[in-house]
Amino acid sequence: GQNIDQPTEMTATEGAIVQINCTYQTSGFNGLFWYQQHAGEAPTFLSYNVLDGLEEKGRFSSFLSRSKGYSYLLLKELQMKDSASYLCAVRDPDGGYQKVTFGTGTKLQVIP
Amino acid sequence: DAEITQSPRHKITETGRQVTLACHQTWNHNNMFWYRQDLGHGLRLIHYSYGVQDTNKGEVSDGYSVSRSNTEDLPLTLESAASSQTSVYFCASSESGNQPQHFGDGTRLSIL
Repeated sequence: GQNIDQPTEMTATEGAIVQINCTYQTSGFNGLFWYQQHAGEAPTFLSYNVLDGLEEKGRFSSFLSRSKGYSYLLLKELQMKDSASYLCAVRDPDGGYQKVTFGTGTKLQVIP
Repeated sequence: DAEITQSPRHKITETGRQVTLACHQTWNHNNMFWYRQDLGHGLRLIHYSYGVQDTNKGEVSDGYSVSRSNTEDLPLTLESAASSQTSVYFCASSESGNQPQHFGDGTRLSIL
């Protein structure tokens, strides 16, 4: 089985930078996804990491350390529309890594 | 544009009734998934399929079934609805494990 941990809630100020952490324990690792989910909507894909290091995509960046079982999502220049839940998902070795296990998500509130 | 659609978007039913939720994707993806999302639990996998005639149980499969007769559709059936199955249900599809999942808009199911 897999164990994925994320903080439940975070609050940050508009214009600031926030880092959302995800730690995982798994019998095998082959990639980690980050999704954004606004309240009442479906999750949408943000990033995918399979190798160590930082992947930058506009205001959003994602980092992975396989040796530490750790990833984070970095959101810069926060906007009110970034208020959402952020889901970390790790590819599941059971069944050939075709499915993922989701963390419970981090609800981010951006305040003025 | 390719898409994944779920129906109905909202449903209210009574305990003991059989309920079927539809999921249809035009991505031509082999992988399809059903999740339920509840407060405090995040997205939990109910059933999944890697192709026509292939179905597999996820972590919360009791009381649910699926069938895959073609590439486009993966209907989810609740054999005898229980109040504990009140939830938001998401269907998703992916091309492969290293590609992101595309989610439908969800079905909010209430069982009274």
